[in-house]
Amino acid sequence: GQQLNQSPQSMFIQEGEDVSMNCTSSSIFNTWLWYKQDPGEGPVLLIALYKAGELTSNGRLTAQFGITRKDSFLNISASIPSDVGIYFCAGLPSGTYKYIFGTGTRLKVLA
Amino acid sequence: EAGVAQSPRYKIIEKRQSVAFWCNPISGHATLYWYQQILGQGPKLLIQFQNNGVVDDSQLPKDRFSAERLKGVDSTLKIQPAKLEDSAVYLCATQGRRNTGELFFGEGSRLTVL
Repeated sequence: GQQLNQSPQSMFIQEGEDVSMNCTSSSIFNTWLWYKQDPGEGPVLLIALYKAGELTSNGRLTAQFGITRKDSFLNISASIPSDVGIYFCAGLPSGTYKYIFGTGTRLKVLA
Repeated sequence: EAGVAQSPRYKIIEKRQSVAFWCNPISGHATLYWYQQILGQGPKLLIQFQNNGVVDDSQLPKDRFSAERLKGVDSTLKIQPAKLEDSAVYLCATQGRRNTGELFFGEGSRLTVL
């Protein structure tokens, strides 16, 4: 099935650094969801975005719905060790009801 | 509010055996999804229910996979007979607002087929 292009695939960062990741598509999306998945657990919803240009924060996390409606960004400020995990984006293409998932960004934080 | 409940958390079977997974959605959530997540990949949709009706099962391998949603609440996903490539995590997700709202996932059922 179709998947979104999510980058980077993985990243190693130092504790305290900021992190940026994004998802892009050739299609227009109506909704973007960002999830974090820890090993052995299900994805946990972090942020939901519904309008182009929307910028939403959840603690140290900030996500944006791209103006073109074809991309979304997630930023994590001042990373801490518990930020380790896999971050997935999920988008709802315009005119459909089926979410498409990104391939995931694996984040490792070095103390 | 209780989250999405799934069981079993882990299951190991031999190929050609059968297995069933159970999901109890968040109370009041009409839409329920089963996803398959292979290691290192994002979730892939298998089937979507709206109440007790199937909305989309186009990616469900119907020769071996089946799913039902009894009375529009709990759901079961069955694999019979299992193949090695079915080894994955099976995630149940539910949604409150029809089709455009947030998806909430359960912890998943990890299947290993030997």
